[in-house]
Amino acid sequence: DQQVKQNSPSLSVQEGRISILNCDYTNSMFDYFLWYKKYPAEGPTFLISISSIKDKNEDGRFTVFLNKSAKHLSLHIVPSQPGDSAVYFCAASEGFGNEKLTFGTGTRLTIIP
Amino acid sequence: DADVTQTPRNRITKTGKRIMLECSQTKGHDRMYWYRQDPGLGLRLIYYSFDVKDINKGEISDGYSVSRQAQAKFSLSLESAIPNQTALYFCATSDPGGGSGPAYNEQFFGPGTRLTVL
Repeated sequence: DQQVKQNSPSLSVQEGRISILNCDYTNSMFDYFLWYKKYPAEGPTFLISISSIKDKNEDGRFTVFLNKSAKHLSLHIVPSQPGDSAVYFCAASEGFGNEKLTFGTGTRLTIIP
Repeated sequence: DADVTQTPRNRITKTGKRIMLECSQTKGHDRMYWYRQDPGLGLRLIYYSFDVKDINKGEISDGYSVSRQAQAKFSLSLESAIPNQTALYFCATSDPGGGSGPAYNEQFFGPGTRLTVL
């Protein structure tokens, strides 16, 4: 039973445009969400996070939006750059300070120059 | 120097062999995790340890065992490897309360071990 789902396995976006990656979850106990980025031959690295008490968190070109009623979050990257080409994983946890994460299946983002 | 290291980085083995993957960290974190990544399935938790005396099963622990030799070391063993254990394996660490990174609940990952079981 996949509690965190990323329904788009891949996404291609023109350089300079907006990339939108989506994530859905089913467990209503999840209250903290993270996005990780993974390059080939490397481990995932933290990108941005959001607590369930917020509906938006922004960090430079990256913004995460959370819609609790829909159990949906999205990552916006604008403008998209070639270095953003990677696999992006959504992850969720229950409880503040609980680092046990449940990961989504990942979305491979390709930025077209 | 990398904070979380994994050895070996690549391993090819045969069905039925015992194999150990090792993870070391210099971050001083108490909590360590083992994941496997498969295409289309994302990262799935195998085992985790919140301190040296604590071992917990994750989502997919069957066929695996772990040993937490010290705060800095967490090993994953496949007692009798089978082909469907071919995957990319990641070790990760975190700090209780998650206060050591830019986000709470953040985990820090090693570079991964690519394991092939023939």
